[in-house]
This record gives sequence, C-alpha cells and structure tokens, in this order.
Amino acid sequence: AQTVTQSQPEMSVQEAETVTLSCTYDTSENNYYLFWYKQPPSRQMILVIRQEAYKQQNATENRFSVNFQKAAKSFSLKISDSQLGDTAMYFCAFMKGAFFPRLTFGEGTQLTVNP
Amino acid sequence: EAQVTQNPRYLITVTGKKLTVTCSQNMNHEYMSWYRQDPGLGLRQIYYSMNVEVTDKGDVPEGYKVSRKEKRNFPLILESPSPNQTSLYFCASSGTSGGSYEQYFGPGTRLTVT
Repeated sequence: AQTVTQSQPEMSVQEAETVTLSCTYDTSENNYYLFWYKQPPSRQMILVIRQEAYKQQNATENRFSVNFQKAAKSFSLKISDSQLGDTAMYFCAFMKGAFFPRLTFGEGTQLTVNP
Repeated sequence: EAQVTQNPRYLITVTGKKLTVTCSQNMNHEYMSWYRQDPGLGLRQIYYSMNVEVTDKGDVPEGYKVSRKEKRNFPLILESPSPNQTSLYFCASSGTSGGSYEQYFGPGTRLTVT
C-alpha cells in the first residue's frame, strides 16, 4: 500500500516571499502520478499541479513548481511570490496509474500568507 | 459548465437514521469516488466505481454503501450512521478520454451525526 506524508502541519510566509511545502511518499510502483491540491476556506478541492513519475522534468504552473526527486520519493511544492489568496490547506496526493481512480492523500499543510 | 454536484451540502442527523448523500457529474466520466476528510488524516477513499454496476472498496468502507446504476450518479448511503461518521465528504469523478486523468471534486458535504 502507498503512503503519503506531509511533515509540516502548519506553515506561514510573508506576502511576496517564497515558501516550500514538503511531501514524501512510499511506493513500490515505477509509474505513478503525484498531485498537489489546494483547499481554501471554501473547502473546494482545487488541483494546483501534477507530475507524472516517468517525466524527469519538474512540473511548473505559473508561480507554482515542484521538486520531484524520484529516488528519494520526495515531491515538494514551491510557491513563489506568495499572495494572500494562497492561504489554504495544501494536500499532496499519489495515484498508482492514470486510469486507476484511487488517490492517497497526505495529512495536509495549512499555509498562511501574512500581509 | 463541467461540474460535480453533491447534495445536501450540510446535514445534521441522529444516530441510526438512514441517510443518502447524492453525487452527480455531467462530464460523462467513467470513474467516480467518495472520500472523507478528517483533521490530521487528510482525505481517505471510502468507495470507488470504475463504471456502471462496478464498485469496489476504498480504504475506509465500513459503515457505508454505494451504488452505480447510472453513469452520472454515485450516491453514498449510510444505513445506520454513527457519531464517528461525522466528517466532510467529497465525491470525485475522472474520465479516460482526452488524456486527462485529473479527478474533479464536488463542493463537499458536511455531515454531523449526534
């Protein structure tokens, strides 16, 4: 069974600064998919970024980028130029295959962006 | 607009009173899932369905039932709710076409069992 661990329950950052959220996972699979989801106070789950394990290049989406270290089973999220609207709970998630509808989530990291 | 809808959004009930939370998607997705979210535990999968009449247990299926009689609907049934089922519930769907495997989440249902 896969496990996902987020070791930072809470983090804070000043507006316009950069913050990195950590995620580690454990799996025996070789091909898999990793995600970061954002959950603002509205509770809606919003996909931030995804990474396919077979791709060596780290994914980026505007101010969001990941550092994917397959051998270390690490998948951190970097948020640049933090904005107040980035305040949310962030979840790291693992999926075994593209067409295998089972996400395994980490515990979550509550990020607060301070003005 | 492509979306996953859940009803009700909020529900307070008493122990033992059967309830159903509905989930519907308009994206013609094959896959649908139910998750529960609890503080410090993240989201955990309850049940999933890979097509009509095909369902399987997730990580925490005890106390729940599901059915998939139509492609668009995937209701979650609590036949005898207990206080430990107080949680935030999410329905999600995903498809197999167009190369997109992203799971789309509904808005969540906050359930309180007293």
